[in-house]
Amino acid sequence: GQQVQQSPASLVLQEGENAELQCNFSSTATQLQWFYQRPGGSLVSLLYNPSGTKHTGRLTSTTVTKERRSSLHISSSQITDSGTYFCAMTDSNYQLIWGSGTKLIIKP
Amino acid sequence: AQTIHQWPVAEIKAVGSPLSLGCTIKGKSSPNLYWYWQATGGTLQQLFYSITVGQVESVVQLNLSASRPKDDQFILSTEKLLLSHSGFYLCAWRDIYEQYFGPGTRLTVL
Repeated sequence: GQQVQQSPASLVLQEGENAELQCNFSSTATQLQWFYQRPGGSLVSLLYNPSGTKHTGRLTSTTVTKERRSSLHISSSQITDSGTYFCAMTDSNYQLIWGSGTKLIIKP
Repeated sequence: AQTIHQWPVAEIKAVGSPLSLGCTIKGKSSPNLYWYWQATGGTLQQLFYSITVGQVESVVQLNLSASRPKDDQFILSTEKLLLSHSGFYLCAWRDIYEQYFGPGTRLTVL
């Protein structure tokens, strides 16, 4: 079946550093979405990026469909960016296939 | 704008007791709705989805059931809770390819 893999599993940075999160998927049909989950909280949709580069605030996502990968770049990280970041792709039945997440810890 | 609500916010229940969790979406007609479960520190597991009133498809049941009694309402329930039902339950709606999530219900089964 279709799979989504994320790396790294965890990432510890100092406040102000940039974060780079990776997502690899098994299908070229992506419909890829990035989510953020605060500890103990719900999921927030960050970016929908099926291909190309998209920006919102300090976030930049680049999806290269033919290489089956997507990245999420967080510039000038803040302590409040701490949490878990998931990528997910929509399959042909409109179901989300989830990565296992990257736990991001930003230290002061 | 669409808003999605879940109730209750949190529940503490005894093993063997019944459970009913609710989800309501406003501002979207005939939404596709989803139930997910997340164990503490784990990834998300899709449980059910519904594309219309009265129709629910099961992905993974986990001894739970779901119903869609109204266009804007999705209910998750069981008659007998298990310890393994503890976790975080999330309802979501789909807009073409994107999904948006409710605030979630945290369930503790003792």
